[in-house]
Amino acid sequence: GEDVEQSLFLSVREGDSSVINCTYTDSSSTYLYWYKQEPGAGLQLLTYIFSNMDMKQDQRLTVLLNKKDKHLSLRIADTQTGDSAIYFCAEKGDSNYQLIWGAGTKLIIKP
Amino acid sequence: DGGITQSPKYLFRKEGQNVTLSCEQNLNHDAMYWYRQDPGQGLRLIYYSQIVNDFQKGDIAEGYSVSREKKESFPLTVTSAQKNPTAFYLCASMVRRALNTEAFFGQGTRLTVV
Repeated sequence: GEDVEQSLFLSVREGDSSVINCTYTDSSSTYLYWYKQEPGAGLQLLTYIFSNMDMKQDQRLTVLLNKKDKHLSLRIADTQTGDSAIYFCAEKGDSNYQLIWGAGTKLIIKP
Repeated sequence: DGGITQSPKYLFRKEGQNVTLSCEQNLNHDAMYWYRQDPGQGLRLIYYSQIVNDFQKGDIAEGYSVSREKKESFPLTVTSAQKNPTAFYLCASMVRRALNTEAFFGQGTRLTVV
């Protein structure tokens, strides 16, 4: 079945780049997503990428997609304390209204 | 502003009690979802509804019940049959656009059994 995997934790120093990785199994996925969850709150869409793209950049965020390896990454440049959160990778499932979620990567910022 | 409102933010339940978590949306979305979040386990789907008066079980529906009498509302009842209900519960709605499917989340309800 469909599955999305992420590491549970990532620790980086303030000002460095953070790279959060995700692997997925469904090669027919049309869209892949990154959501951000701040402490005690719901999830918010950060960005998404269509499967015919290799890269998408939006200010400090860069999404890279390697379809051959089914690997998605989110790079956050100049990581700041406000970036502390859990980042979820998701792929669109077979149903029009279904998203398959990773377990989330907790980004920890060291001063 | 349009969005999803969950209430209450914190809820305490005694053993053997049923409790109902509220989820309301004014986004006019057809599809609504309930997820349970435990540390290190991501989001697990409890129930979802793609249309009024219809809902489907997710991966962990045992011990939970839902109703969808109105498009705007999708309440979740945690019954006494749910043996380990302490968790963070998230309600979401989804919209399918021409280019993608986007999920919108409420702020969550933290349920604690005392």
